[in-house]
Amino acid sequence: EVHLVESGGGLVQPGGSLRLSCAASGFSFSSYYMYWVRQIPGQGLLSVSRINGDASATVYADSVKGRFTISRDNAKNTLYLQMDSLRVEDTAVYYCAGETAYTFDYWGQGTLVTVSS
Amino acid sequence: QSALTQPVSVSGSPGQSLTISCTGSSRDVGKYDYVSWYQQHPGKAPKLMIYEGSKRPSGVSDRFSGSKSANTASLTISGLQAEDEADYYCCAYGGGSTYVFGTGTKVTVL
Repeated sequence: EVHLVESGGGLVQPGGSLRLSCAASGFSFSSYYMYWVRQIPGQGLLSVSRINGDASATVYADSVKGRFTISRDNAKNTLYLQMDSLRVEDTAVYYCAGETAYTFDYWGQGTLVTVSS
Repeated sequence: QSALTQPVSVSGSPGQSLTISCTGSSRDVGKYDYVSWYQQHPGKAPKLMIYEGSKRPSGVSDRFSGSKSANTASLTISGLQAEDEADYYCCAYGGGSTYVFGTGTKVTVL
C-alpha cells in the first residue's frame, strides 16, 4: 500500500523558515517525479515545485522561486521542501505528490503551514 | 499560467448524472491529451479519478468518465451517490514540466 506522509508544518512568522518532509513507502520512489502542491484554505491547488527522479532537475513556481528549495533522498525515500523568507501568502496546506506519465498518482495527507505574526 | 476554469458548484439527486466542465486554452487542455481529475473530500488528500482525459485507474468506479473537446475537458458522474459529494479538480499538462489545476467544483448530492 502506498503512503506519503508529510511533516514539518506549523506556525512561523513572516520572514522565517520551515523545512517540510515527505516520507514515502509502497512504491518505487526513485522512479517518480515528486511535487509539492499547495492549497490555500478554501481555494484550489497550485504546483509549487518539482524534482525529477535522480534529483538532477528542479522546477519552481514563480511565486516561490529563490525562496523555496526542493530536494530528495532516494536512500531514505524522502522528499523535502526548504522554505525560506516565508510570506503571509505562503499560508496553505502543502501536499507532496508523486507523478508519472503526466498524472499525479499518489498524494499525501498534507501539512498546514501558517505564516503570521 | 492561469488556473483552469470550473463551475463553482454543481448538484444532483441520487441516481442522476452530472457533468463538470474544465476550460483551459490551446496551450494546455487543447494541446495535450494529459488531463486528469481528482476527487477531494473535506480534510483529505486528493484522489486520482481520471487520467489522460478518459482513463480510469484501477479501483475507480466506472460511474466516473472523462472526455475532451477542444479546450474544454469534462468529468461525468453517472448514477450519483452520496459518497460522490466532494470537491473535484481538473489538472492539465502545460508543457515544460508544468501543470495547471482547475479552480475546483463542489459537488452536492441533494
